[in-house]
Amino acid sequence: DGGITQSPKYLFRKEGQNVTLSCEQNLNHDAMYWYRQDPGQGLRLIYYSQIVNDFQKGDIAEGYSVSREKKESFPLTVTSAQKNPTAFYLCASIPTGTPSRPNYGYTFGSGTRLTVV
Amino acid sequence: AQKVTQAQTEISVVEKEDVTLDCVYETRDTTYYLFWYKQPPSGELVFLIRRNSFDEQNEISGRYSWNFQKSTSSFNFTITASQVVDSAVYFCALSGVLSSGSARQLTFGSGTQLTVLP
Repeated sequence: DGGITQSPKYLFRKEGQNVTLSCEQNLNHDAMYWYRQDPGQGLRLIYYSQIVNDFQKGDIAEGYSVSREKKESFPLTVTSAQKNPTAFYLCASIPTGTPSRPNYGYTFGSGTRLTVV
Repeated sequence: AQKVTQAQTEISVVEKEDVTLDCVYETRDTTYYLFWYKQPPSGELVFLIRRNSFDEQNEISGRYSWNFQKSTSSFNFTITASQVVDSAVYFCALSGVLSSGSARQLTFGSGTQLTVLP
């Protein structure tokens, strides 16, 4: 079945360490997104990519970096510059050009829970 | 700028009661999409519905129904005869629309935690 795979499910980061969260999709979607969720809050956009080799900053991009070398993959690196990285990270994708379908909407991965130790 | 407000942080109901989750949005776009997502304890967001801004027809899907009113910028979600399995966090979200018709990035509300008690 098609979907989005995020790994790892849980990740622990030491102070000053960079870590990379994986996001892979086999849905053939062009657009991919990274969101951060803090307790009791909605999701906030970190980065997004509409096509391969192109990406845009979202509302809270500072301390994060991404790459989009392949259509299927959109990894997120949490750098040491991100002072408060403990959160739940969700990756999402959406197709382009098919908004007429009734079930047209974002597909989300199962998330990565990052904790600073 | 876009904004989505879900004023109800937490709601508790007893099984079989009906419950309505409120969603109010702000946008300057004339064309936009509205979404509802369910987040069970496992964390993954599950797509429930997408509504186009030009389609104010209400929708019913089983025990779920949605009331979209452009005049009040609201997109409320009602669960009829709630069940324990409906317990989750529910998010309302808004996106602009690209020239292709595809959705832009989502702006989320802060979510409503629904607890259905047996």
